Amino acid sequence: ELKVEQNPLFLSMQEGKNYTIYCNYSTTSDRLYWYRQDPGKSLESLFVLLSNGAVKQEGRLMASLDTKARLSTLHITAAVHDLSATYFCAVGRSGGGADGLTFGKGTHLIIQP
Amino acid sequence: GAVVSQHPSRVICKSGTSVKIECRSLDFQATTMFWYRQFPKQSLMLMATSNEGSKATYEQGVEKDKFLINHASLTLSTLTVTSAHPEDSSFYICSARFSGETQYFGPGTRLLVL
Repeated sequence: ELKVEQNPLFLSMQEGKNYTIYCNYSTTSDRLYWYRQDPGKSLESLFVLLSNGAVKQEGRLMASLDTKARLSTLHITAAVHDLSATYFCAVGRSGGGADGLTFGKGTHLIIQP
Repeated sequence: GAVVSQHPSRVICKSGTSVKIECRSLDFQATTMFWYRQFPKQSLMLMATSNEGSKATYEQGVEKDKFLINHASLTLSTLTVTSAHPEDSSFYICSARFSGETQYFGPGTRLLVL
């Protein structure tokens, strides 16, 4: 059974600081996704990582994937208040994108001015 | 990006009634649609995978007779919660995939069963 663990589950940080959210998963997969969810809203796709060593950046967010370690990271640089949200990583269970995703529990991020 | 809609966005019903939720891909044909459920302050849990023209594949622990899924066309999948009970109250989110690896999520349907 595929398990996805995120940590931390809750993070409060100040604007301007850097931090990293970690996502570990238990079985082989080559599809790792990061999503953002605002309160009461659905999911916004942030990154899709499909290969070992993949690194993607969008604004102050950067995601990476190490398939050998079964680890993905979401790094936040110089955080701003607008990045406050819950961030989920999710893993695809088989190749080709045909299967649904297994999600981590989410990281509730609060960025204080 | 691709757009997925859900209807209704919010529904309140009495215990014992059935509720139908629609998921539409607006600007692409979705080969596969997925249904997820999210309880308050929890993660998303995959309920079932739906392919157009075939029976849905349900995850372990999800009652297929209670959560009826119909994927009649490449742009529409429906989830019917039959004989709903208060414990079925949740946020139901669909996603759609047409090619490649990305799943596009709908805005979700909040169900409250009284």
